[in-house]
Amino acid sequence: GAVVSQHPSRVICKSGTSVKIECRSLDFQATTMFWYRQFPKQSLMLMATSNEGSKATYEQGVEKDKFLINHASLTLSTLTVTSAHPEDSSFYICSARSASGYTGELFFGEGSRLTVL
Amino acid sequence: DAKTTQPPSMDCAEGRAANLPCNHSTISGNEYVYWYRQIHSQGPQYIIHGLKNNETNEMASLIITEDRKSSTLILPHATLRDTAVYYCIVRVSGNTGKLIFGQGTTLQVKP
Repeated sequence: GAVVSQHPSRVICKSGTSVKIECRSLDFQATTMFWYRQFPKQSLMLMATSNEGSKATYEQGVEKDKFLINHASLTLSTLTVTSAHPEDSSFYICSARSASGYTGELFFGEGSRLTVL
Repeated sequence: DAKTTQPPSMDCAEGRAANLPCNHSTISGNEYVYWYRQIHSQGPQYIIHGLKNNETNEMASLIITEDRKSSTLILPHATLRDTAVYYCIVRVSGNTGKLIFGQGTTLQVKP
């Protein structure tokens, strides 16, 4: 199946710093990518929809100035957690949908675990 | 958006079929049923999806009732590696294609 890769898989940072997470579709073009956050023992929560070449659409309650999303190409979307705080510690997961199909499945990355000290 | 209801947990004996139910009584005509699973600390893995016909692939079978208000995911011969959280999701209509996850069913396959 199609492959979506995230980097880094784990990151530890100090409070107040910014962290960038990359999401790449390795063998297909993704016009749309999605970013999720998952806290321990909870389900995935959709944060935003990232569209290539345009601004991301954020879900209600997600701060767009804190979670900066850039989707500059058909194979790369980035999530930057700005001025990170311990409560931002979470498992961040991206997913991508092929440009060729509305009914096609979404493919997920391996996730990036962020720990803010 | 149509919501789904799944039992929070299920057990299954290794080698037996695992039947995971999902209720989606408010599904609309152009919404698909998707199943994903998440093994601990990994990203979700696509399993199968369908609209109204039953579907089968190398991983599982999906049985959708005629009224489309419920479905069942069948893992024909469960193994210990199938232990995971299984999510039944109804795809939001329109071409944004986003998936909204519920709480899922934690399937524990036991030896």
